[in-house]
Amino acid sequence: DAGVIQSPRHEVTEMGQEVTLRCKPISGHDYLFWYRQTMMRGLELLIYFNNNVPIDDSGMPEDRFSAKMPNASFSTLKIQPSEPRDSAVYFCASSLPRGEQYFGPGTRLTVT
Amino acid sequence: QKEVEQNSGPLSVPEGAIASLNCTYSDRGSQSFFWYRQYSGKSPELIMFIYSNGDKEDGRFTAQLNKASQYVSLLIRDSQPSDSATYLCAAEVSGGYNKLIFGAGTRLAVHP
Repeated sequence: DAGVIQSPRHEVTEMGQEVTLRCKPISGHDYLFWYRQTMMRGLELLIYFNNNVPIDDSGMPEDRFSAKMPNASFSTLKIQPSEPRDSAVYFCASSLPRGEQYFGPGTRLTVT
Repeated sequence: QKEVEQNSGPLSVPEGAIASLNCTYSDRGSQSFFWYRQYSGKSPELIMFIYSNGDKEDGRFTAQLNKASQYVSLLIRDSQPSDSATYLCAAEVSGGYNKLIFGAGTRLAVHP
């Protein structure tokens, strides 16, 4: 079975541009999580969904960040406008209820 | 502020030795705990989870949980150079519906 799929794997963009990260969870998993990882702050939860509904977005840093899950097999994380401090690795993970989370390969974002 | 604390390391052990990784958590209501392994440039990979006080063994790995002391540990027996990675401890937030808080990770180096 395919794991969590993320695209793109690498993204380099200029400050002020819009960035869209994509995630396909493991089939049958009804929880989807977006994380950001940096050396300074470690692995931080940004937002998570249950059955396509956002449950907790308290980790979203500011209004420049938004996330959607239009259906059970697709989610996006958008940054508009992007800033250099948004440079990080963004992970998507999915799980069953009260289950272990499985991570995708991540998107390495560089904003210049 | 709910936290998970880990010694950042590096923890250096010789090949064949037992590596002991430790983690404390602040949320007394946490019920589920997870250990992830992360190789440099890769995504976190789930290696163990534990819900009950005591020990749980899986191959060369043993997870230990002491809820009274709010302490979780991971033992790796017969350590191999391939075990060299960062190990992340995570605790489920009480009432958080699958929400995890991650520690900053302990870097393990196994030398031949």
